[in-house]
Amino acid sequence: DGGITQSPKYLFRKEGQNVTLSCEQNLNHDAMYWYRQDPGQGLRLIYYSQIVNDFQKGDIAEGYSVSREKKESFPLTVTSAQKNPTAFYLCASSISSGAKTQYFGPGTRLLVL
Amino acid sequence: AQSVAQPEDQVNVAEGNPLTVKCTYSVSGNPYLFWYVQYPNRGLQFLLKYITGDNLVKGSYGFEAEFNKSQTSFHLKKPSALVSDSALYFCAVLEENTGNQFYFGTGTSLTVIP
Repeated sequence: DGGITQSPKYLFRKEGQNVTLSCEQNLNHDAMYWYRQDPGQGLRLIYYSQIVNDFQKGDIAEGYSVSREKKESFPLTVTSAQKNPTAFYLCASSISSGAKTQYFGPGTRLLVL
Repeated sequence: AQSVAQPEDQVNVAEGNPLTVKCTYSVSGNPYLFWYVQYPNRGLQFLLKYITGDNLVKGSYGFEAEFNKSQTSFHLKKPSALVSDSALYFCAVLEENTGNQFYFGTGTSLTVIP
């Protein structure tokens, strides 16, 4: 988990509320990623960013938004349009060339009240 | 299309016995293959990767994996299992020169029985 921090560890969302998950890295990596983990489904890619001020949708982007204003930071907002947000959210980072090993943060568990 | 399959949801092994966690992949070009381990309520930890060269890759905590191109497999192995190896294991593939998107398997839960 070293080098990538995620906060908070647990987050509670009320119906109709937007919430933002924080991800910060000090590994000087260009690329950052957000995954959603549900039991028995492995990891699914929500958004990724290969460089500051640029990001692409992954397989399940609907109901989520991101920004990449700084190299170190890649916050994820879970909007009210995401009807089933309860999951474990993982942030990762990597270099942008070669074999690109991804390194993960400790995760944020989002629960709906 | 790229994909990864982990055919076993659950693997049980006795402490001290060898363990194997299976992974097969599908890519059009050359694969980069990875194994990660996840402990409860934690992020994924990188164990090892195959890029090119020697088909037997050694990684952290005594784990190793064997790349088999003809069988499109990348099974994770350890000669002697420890109770502390009990965790969720993920295989992932990245196709060379196709960008940054990993494809993960659904995970295999390993239980080492004392």
